[in-house]
Amino acid sequence: EVNLVESGGGLVRPGDSLGLSCAASGFTFSSYSMNWVRQAPGKGLEWVASINSRSNDIYYADSVKGRFTVSRDNANNSLYLEMNTVRAEDTALYYCVREKSHGTSPLDYWGQGTLVTVSS
Amino acid sequence: DIQMTQSPSSLSASIGDSVTLSCRASQNIRSHLNWYQQRPGQAPKFLISATSPFQSGVPSRFTAGGSGTYFTLTISGLQPEDFATYFCQQSYSSPLVTFGGGTKVEIK
Repeated sequence: EVNLVESGGGLVRPGDSLGLSCAASGFTFSSYSMNWVRQAPGKGLEWVASINSRSNDIYYADSVKGRFTVSRDNANNSLYLEMNTVRAEDTALYYCVREKSHGTSPLDYWGQGTLVTVSS
Repeated sequence: DIQMTQSPSSLSASIGDSVTLSCRASQNIRSHLNWYQQRPGQAPKFLISATSPFQSGVPSRFTAGGSGTYFTLTISGLQPEDFATYFCQQSYSSPLVTFGGGTKVEIK
């Protein structure tokens, strides 16, 4: 069974940094592209970042480009999101999400999310 | 960026009703459109895609249609567990994907 478990969320002050992690199990992690998608409280879904299986194709939403860094460790089946210079508008539930296959495919498995609150 | 617009933003329906949710793309995305279901307090769940309108494990009452810029999700015979928010998402420009604002299906 595919399982994605996020951790690392919490309360952080504007301008500070925070690191999120996602532990994957139940599938061959090293074969899949992975994504971070966030959802502000009571709002819709916003794609944040994507990293392919070999970490040589990485993309970011304009809203986080230059501040967030996505990475992965295939040996440890883990995905990461380093968040720097956070802003109030980064407050959201952050989901770790698997892409079903390479290319124009759906996001087929989602974790339960970890909540990041940016506030002074 | 490709913008996705869903309508209506919410609707009320009764058990057994059939409803159709709409999703419009700001440019031609062929059939690269996916639907997700999010029940209250839960993570989104991939439901169905326009390229593969019948998904394993998804009840047959859910059907996805459309291509180009206009897409629909029809639920034929609403069940209690179907009351949720539904999001469309374009994967045409993957990995730079975008979501619609969602349609909340509520019990009348």
